[in-house]
Amino acid sequence: EAQVTQNPRYLITVTGKKLTVTCSQNMNHEYMSWYRQDPGLGLRQIYYSMNVEVTDKGDVPEGYKVSRKEKRNFPLILESPSPNQTSLYFCASSLKISGGGLNTEAFFGQGTRLTVV
Amino acid sequence: SQQGEEDPQALSIQEGENATMNCSYKTSINNLQWYRQNSGRGLVHLILIRSNEREKHSGRLRVTLDTSKKSSSLLITASRAADTASYFCATARTGRRALTFGSGTRLQVQP
Repeated sequence: EAQVTQNPRYLITVTGKKLTVTCSQNMNHEYMSWYRQDPGLGLRQIYYSMNVEVTDKGDVPEGYKVSRKEKRNFPLILESPSPNQTSLYFCASSLKISGGGLNTEAFFGQGTRLTVV
Repeated sequence: SQQGEEDPQALSIQEGENATMNCSYKTSINNLQWYRQNSGRGLVHLILIRSNEREKHSGRLRVTLDTSKKSSSLLITASRAADTASYFCATARTGRRALTFGSGTRLQVQP
């Protein structure tokens, strides 16, 4: 079954304690992305990756890191989490992206609800 | 920045009725996509309409796009209780490597 898998689904952590949210897709997609969803703000892009070893900042990258060492995996790293990073996080993948932008559908993971206290 | 803005923010209808949601955006787009999100879960792609298309159908879904007015609408016909969810429009802009989402319409279908 084609899917994007995130782990963990729920996480409560303390300020400053480094954490990693994993994301894996089994569709051989080139493009992967992380979004955060906050009430009233919709989804905002944190980071994206066009392919292995190619990553770039989205709209709200501060406080986050990513890596893309393998095509299927795109972990999100919070080196020193703060309470304003409490949010619902989604990983998404798409087949590819062209100069014309994202012209195919995006597949989303089930989300990771992160609480930083 | 918010590109797509959905209207209304919330909609409550009876089963069997039609539901219409609107989306407005600000800049030129390559395509516009609609997604559904069940409470707290991942988003599921519903339909993609390209900038050179005016209308598209998929089952009980009908999407229109008016690029001159920078707006789109999603019509769900003969709604079911299972259609209860939040619906988001997302725009894909030329040269921009992300979808830009609105804040969504919460649809409640009463059985």
